[in-house]
Amino acid sequence: LAKTTQPISMDSYEGQEVNITCSHNNIATNDYITWYQQFPSQGPRFIIQGYKTKVTNEVASLFIPADRKSSTLSLPRVSLSDTAVYYCLVGPLSGTYKYIFGTGTRLKVLA
Amino acid sequence: GAGVSQSPSNKVTEKGKDVELRCDPISGHTALYWYRQRLGQGLEFLIYFQGNSAPDKSGLPSDRFSAERTGESVSTLTIQRTQQEDSAVYLCASSLDSGGSNYGYTFGSGTRLTVV
Repeated sequence: LAKTTQPISMDSYEGQEVNITCSHNNIATNDYITWYQQFPSQGPRFIIQGYKTKVTNEVASLFIPADRKSSTLSLPRVSLSDTAVYYCLVGPLSGTYKYIFGTGTRLKVLA
Repeated sequence: GAGVSQSPSNKVTEKGKDVELRCDPISGHTALYWYRQRLGQGLEFLIYFQGNSAPDKSGLPSDRFSAERTGESVSTLTIQRTQQEDSAVYLCASSLDSGGSNYGYTFGSGTRLTVV
């Protein structure tokens, strides 16, 4: 199981771009990188997923360097409602897989 | 249904009583997962099902915990003789078991269990 390391917490201000970096040095060839977001009193919610280079959707961008040993979740122009815990996970897509959720990164957006 | 449904949303029970937590996954999702989340902490894996079978029960904390799944659909997590340390939010997730791109897990909103 690929282990991930990410900062425990981050603070930002409204309107700023937030970048959360995750290290996954022993990522396997068939592993993808997936980020989840969790608000208080809710289950985690899928944000974005990628394998290499850059992926962008309506919520975020995911940057993955060529060696894939790290990844960066980028949230453009955050608002107070982006205050949440963000989890970085790695694992294969095919078949079932037991994702290990760590403590994630607690992002607090300040006014 | 459109999402993963868990019931009850909240449960308060007395120490020593048994509780059953229910999860209705997304229709067609063959994989189902149970996690536990204590206040302010990350998710702790408990068990997962592929169809009605549970290949990995390694996360169950003790023999007071058990789970089953029927009809490749509903799953029930049972905690016998509850203890105060069992207090947590119990989250259920389901996923497609298929090759190619998918969108990972879809989680329910959880059952908040309080043992008094």
